Amino acid sequence: EVQLVESGGGLVQPGRSLRLSCAASGFTFNDYGMHWVRQVPGKGLEWVSGISWNSGNIGYADSAKGRFTISRDNAKNSLYLQMNSLRAEDTAFYYCVKDIGGAVAGTLDYWGQGTLVTVSS
Amino acid sequence: QSALTQPRSVSGSPGQSVTISCTGTSSDVGGYNYVSWYQQHSGKAPKLMIYDVSKRPSGVPDRFSGSKSGNTASLTISGLQAEDEADYYCNSYAGRYTLIFGGGTKLTVL
Repeated sequence: EVQLVESGGGLVQPGRSLRLSCAASGFTFNDYGMHWVRQVPGKGLEWVSGISWNSGNIGYADSAKGRFTISRDNAKNSLYLQMNSLRAEDTAFYYCVKDIGGAVAGTLDYWGQGTLVTVSS
Repeated sequence: QSALTQPRSVSGSPGQSVTISCTGTSSDVGGYNYVSWYQQHSGKAPKLMIYDVSKRPSGVPDRFSGSKSGNTASLTISGLQAEDEADYYCNSYAGRYTLIFGGGTKLTVL
């Protein structure tokens, strides 16, 4: 059974940093692309960033470019999102999501339960 | 990177069919056959319903179907059931390893 478990969310002040982690199990992690998708409570989904199976291809939403860094450690079956210079508008649930293939092509077939990031002073 | 355009809400009675549209541009929906659709019930994580415009993952009822014409993709749900009431989101590859979601559509089963 595929499992994606996010951690690292919490309350952080504007301008500070936070690192999200996602522990993956139940599939061959190093065969698949991975993504972070966020959702403000009560609002729609927003794709944040994606990374291919070998970290060779990485993409970011404009809202994340220059502030967020996605990475993965295939030896640890883990995905990460380093978030710097956080803003109030980054407050959201952050989902770790598996791609159906190895690339960053956008079919998101398994989702974690999400971790809440709250940016507030 | 503007969100794909979806109607905010649609509704239908049990047994009827509804169609949800998802309009983008030639740089996303119109440029690639990588359109997918997700169902999200309140308080739950999204679930993949359609991918590559019209493919259904294992376990998704064949009442759900997808199509695309030009810059607009569509999700059709036939034989509406009460459990179909949820939010639906489209998603498209947008080039250079980026994805874009639609704003979401709330489906109400009357």
